[in-house]
Amino acid sequence: SQQGEEDPQALSIQEGENATMNCSYKTSINNLQWYRQNSGRGLVHLILIRSNEREKHSGRLRVTLDTSKKSSSLLITASRAADTASYFCATERMDSSYKLIFGSGTRLLVRP
Amino acid sequence: DTGVSQNPRHKITKRGQNVTFRCDPISEHNRLYWYRQTLGQGPEFLTYFQNEAQLEKSRLLSDRFSAERPKGSFSTLEIQRTEQGDSAMYLCASSIALGFSGNTIYFGEGSWLTVV
Repeated sequence: SQQGEEDPQALSIQEGENATMNCSYKTSINNLQWYRQNSGRGLVHLILIRSNEREKHSGRLRVTLDTSKKSSSLLITASRAADTASYFCATERMDSSYKLIFGSGTRLLVRP
Repeated sequence: DTGVSQNPRHKITKRGQNVTFRCDPISEHNRLYWYRQTLGQGPEFLTYFQNEAQLEKSRLLSDRFSAERPKGSFSTLEIQRTEQGDSAMYLCASSIALGFSGNTIYFGEGSWLTVV
């Protein structure tokens, strides 16, 4: 069963704009990870945020985590056409055996 | 390149046939995972190994599915008597257990299965 739900399901922006994707989950977690997937390809790990962290940065990526609201957001600043992909959040639940449970993803289109 | 390797990348098979996928994890990664992904959906967990031990299996993994990881190195996922509903991308991933949670899991490029 899916643990996380991303919002929006699809997002279309102009190159240079910022893109924000949200993820909500249901149970307590150890950590939350964001992945990117180009069409027909495997998943690329972007960033991991632990349950005791509130914000992390990596290059143009900024991730926040609010465990009280069971939600996370991924911000991509100054987007590029090459950022066009599907983005998934995945959670490692506290009762989990180290597996990740994925949401259904946000499809991002960055128009040049 | 020493990433997660999956073979074959694409497989078309007739309904009722058996298929096997192979995964070579990143060297020294002791955890290995199998996921299944259909179009427009996120990956769904199937099973995972720590070394050669299969520690968890999803209810999605019917009796027609079997996974092995002999000697704790590469893994195979076999689907017997394939059905059209098995058509999906099968993703393998690996990670290294460092004694605490929060290990990055690295994915392969996936193996596409089409059952006709």
